[in-house]
Amino acid sequence: NAGVTQTPKFRVLKTGQSMTLLCAQDMNHEYMYWYRQDPGMGLRLIHYSVGEGTTAKGEVPDGYNVSRLKKQNFLLGLESAAPSQTSVYFCASSPGGTGYDEQFFGPGTRLTVL
Amino acid sequence: SQQGEEDPQALSIQEGENATMNCSYKTSINNLQWYRQNSGRGLVHLILIRSNEREKHSGRLRVTLDTSKKSSSLLITASRAADTASYFCATERWSQGGKLIFGQGTELSVKP
Repeated sequence: NAGVTQTPKFRVLKTGQSMTLLCAQDMNHEYMYWYRQDPGMGLRLIHYSVGEGTTAKGEVPDGYNVSRLKKQNFLLGLESAAPSQTSVYFCASSPGGTGYDEQFFGPGTRLTVL
Repeated sequence: SQQGEEDPQALSIQEGENATMNCSYKTSINNLQWYRQNSGRGLVHLILIRSNEREKHSGRLRVTLDTSKKSSSLLITASRAADTASYFCATERWSQGGKLIFGQGTELSVKP
């Protein structure tokens, strides 16, 4: 099993450009999450999904959109990138629903917005 | 907002020594988890302790939880150079519906 994979690994954007980050998991997990990690800070939740076709806002959702059309995929979109969105983005998944789930993380996408 | 605050922010020890990291949180929880992150990598789950548990062991790891003080500690015994990483605590509450709130992390350096 590949676990959680993220595409791409690195990306450089200019201000105002758009892009989509793809997260895929092969563990049949219900819940999926997008986080950003900035220097000196822990992970902050952007958006999450508790099942196919559902999405919800996390702690820092502004400037991002998400979609979960298939259970195994969770897409994070930046419609008009800003330098403040320079960060490392992590996707995670968990079985969901037990209240005692660990999360499984992807390797991250390093995004730079110039 | 960050639920967990970790202390110290950075810790440097010699191989073979024990490393202790602390995590404090603000609201009631149903579990607390510890994760490790090697440089440039994703987070890896280490251990989960439920709110009704006081201590848990996994190999060289020992986690304690004091819900009255809203604090947890992670002890790594007989540390190795390979333990060099950042360690994060994360809390989960029933009302958060599966969401974890992460602390800022402790950066551990184990020198050979």
